[in-house]
Amino acid sequence: DAKTTQPTSMDCAEGRAANLPCNHSTISGNEYVYWYRQIHSQGPQYIIHGLKNNETNEMASLIITEDRKSSTLILPHATLRDTAVYYCIVRGWGKLQFGAGTQVVVTP
Amino acid sequence: EAGVAQSPRYKIIEKRQSVAFWCNPISGHATLYWYQQILGQGPKLLIQFQNNGVVDDSQLPKDRFSAERLKGVDSTLKIQPAKLEDSAVYLCASRERGGLAGGMSTDTQYFGPGTRLTVL
Repeated sequence: DAKTTQPTSMDCAEGRAANLPCNHSTISGNEYVYWYRQIHSQGPQYIIHGLKNNETNEMASLIITEDRKSSTLILPHATLRDTAVYYCIVRGWGKLQFGAGTQVVVTP
Repeated sequence: EAGVAQSPRYKIIEKRQSVAFWCNPISGHATLYWYQQILGQGPKLLIQFQNNGVVDDSQLPKDRFSAERLKGVDSTLKIQPAKLEDSAVYLCASRERGGLAGGMSTDTQYFGPGTRLTVL
């Protein structure tokens, strides 16, 4: 499975949109982009996934570039409860491989 | 729908002792995973079961770690004897479908709260 690159950390103001970037330049055609997050002292939680089209659900939106080499997770109105480590994972027909993720801190 | 249950939530032992963790996946989920998460790192897969059979245990330190899922439902992970470097959070996850995972909604993994192990 392709590897991903994410910033180590980022801050976001409460109520504003949080845009989390992820680079996956070696992604292949059958690999999906998955996002999970992990709130302190909890297990990872599924957020969203996509192949090539942009996706939206009740938690977030996922924007994948046309060449699929990068993506952005958008939390439209960040709340303090969104403070967590966010993992971007590229996966084909196999297991999830977590990197270190991005520590997002939402501040009042 | 009840989530993935794990127990205990916390465990402190001395090195060379034994310890066991228990996981009850979401009802009806065919696939069960055990992960190890060392502080500051992402979770690392230790073992994957489909029903009661092992699919992938390539990252499991088999000289000291063992896991079973005898009836294809709940599972136990054991460490015997424990080392200092085994201090970590042990996460259990389950997935509805069996077989290879792809991009379907039923391929989503649901995680339990984890067991925090401290080896002194």
